[in-house]
Amino acid sequence: KQEVTQIPAALSVPEGENLVLNCSFTDSAIYNLQWFRQDPGKGLTSLLLIQSSQREQTSGRLNASLDKSSGRSTLYIAASQPGDSATYLCAVRQSDYKLSFGAGTTVTVRA
Amino acid sequence: DTAVSQTPKYLVTQMGNDKSIKCEQNLGHDTMYWYKQDSKKFLKIMFSYNNKELIINETVPNRFSPKSPDKAHLNLHINSLELGDSAVYFCASSQDERALYFGPGTRLTVT
Repeated sequence: KQEVTQIPAALSVPEGENLVLNCSFTDSAIYNLQWFRQDPGKGLTSLLLIQSSQREQTSGRLNASLDKSSGRSTLYIAASQPGDSATYLCAVRQSDYKLSFGAGTTVTVRA
Repeated sequence: DTAVSQTPKYLVTQMGNDKSIKCEQNLGHDTMYWYKQDSKKFLKIMFSYNNKELIINETVPNRFSPKSPDKAHLNLHINSLELGDSAVYFCASSQDERALYFGPGTRLTVT
């Protein structure tokens, strides 16, 4: 059974600092890994999708890396802004259409 | 131009009642899902349908019955509601095993 862990559970940084969010998973037989953002009381917004054959994906200030062999992914957010405050979730997809989610990291960026 | 929509957004009902949540996606995706997010914000898959056929049915009480009348719709019917059913229910869709897109969620409160 795939288990996905996100550490830390919460993170508070001053504006402008770079954010590093970690995601680890127990079964390396994955199809892809997806990072989401969830604002309070809202749905999930897809940020980045990394296929199992890829090492990283970038979108603007966001960069996600994937090390399948060690079961880790890291989401980097450069030059954080107060608008980046949200909960960030990673989800690992295995080939049977099932996504396993981590519990998320709640980020607060202080102005 | 909403991609994945759900109705209602909020649902407050008493124990023992039967209720339904509707989901529609206009992305042309062939796979749709229902997820439950509990009070600890943990997301867990309940059901997945591919081209109107059930492909994932997690350990969910049989009081929960999904129905997919066509590829663009996946509804969730819940019988004999219990206090423990209170949660946020998210519908999502994807094309095969690609990125997942979520609806805004339905907050169900059972009193």
